[in-house]
Amino acid sequence: GAVVSQHPSRVICKSGTSVKIECRSLDFQATTMFWYRQFPKQSLMLMATSNEGSKATYEQGVEKDKFLINHASLTLSTLTVTSAHPEDSSFYICSARDLGTYGYTFGSGTRLTVV
Amino acid sequence: AQSVTQPDIHITVSEGASLELRCNYSYGATPYLFWYVQSPGQGLQLLLKYFSGDTLVQGIKGFEAEFKRSQSSFNLRKPSVHWSDAAEYFCAVGAGADSWGKLQFGAGTQVVVTP
Repeated sequence: GAVVSQHPSRVICKSGTSVKIECRSLDFQATTMFWYRQFPKQSLMLMATSNEGSKATYEQGVEKDKFLINHASLTLSTLTVTSAHPEDSSFYICSARDLGTYGYTFGSGTRLTVV
Repeated sequence: AQSVTQPDIHITVSEGASLELRCNYSYGATPYLFWYVQSPGQGLQLLLKYFSGDTLVQGIKGFEAEFKRSQSSFNLRKPSVHWSDAAEYFCAVGAGADSWGKLQFGAGTQVVVTP
């Protein structure tokens, strides 16, 4: 079945630095990927929709200059958290839309801790 | 606007007993509906999905769900739960102009399985 690989699974960074999270579709082409943020014991909050070859569409309230999204190929989308602060600590999950199976496949998530 | 409601935040069930998780949605057109399961610190795994056709959908791990348009519901069921079913369950509806653009998630239901 469709597999989405998300890397890294855990990252600790210092406040003020930037962190890049990768999301790859391994066996299908994903023209559209989605980035979510999840706080402990809460649901997933959509941050942005990433379309291959074009600018990402951000949800209301999400700072596009802070959360940079790049979708340069049909199998890779990246989320860069710039100038990270402790309040950016969270669980980030990507998802890719698989037109073949007509479904959405999720990555295993990235636990970001900013110290 | 689209919305998904999972009325039960937390459910405790005995191993071997039946389980039903409720999901109600609000969506103007025919919805695309999904149930996902999430183990702690992990991404989301698709249990089943409904797009059209037979309103009783079979999924993985012995789960099934029934789409009831008149009640705007898509409840998830399992006849006999196993200890490994303890997890967080999310109902989601496909939203967006093409009917399954971005997913709108419910708040989730935490399932605890007791011996």
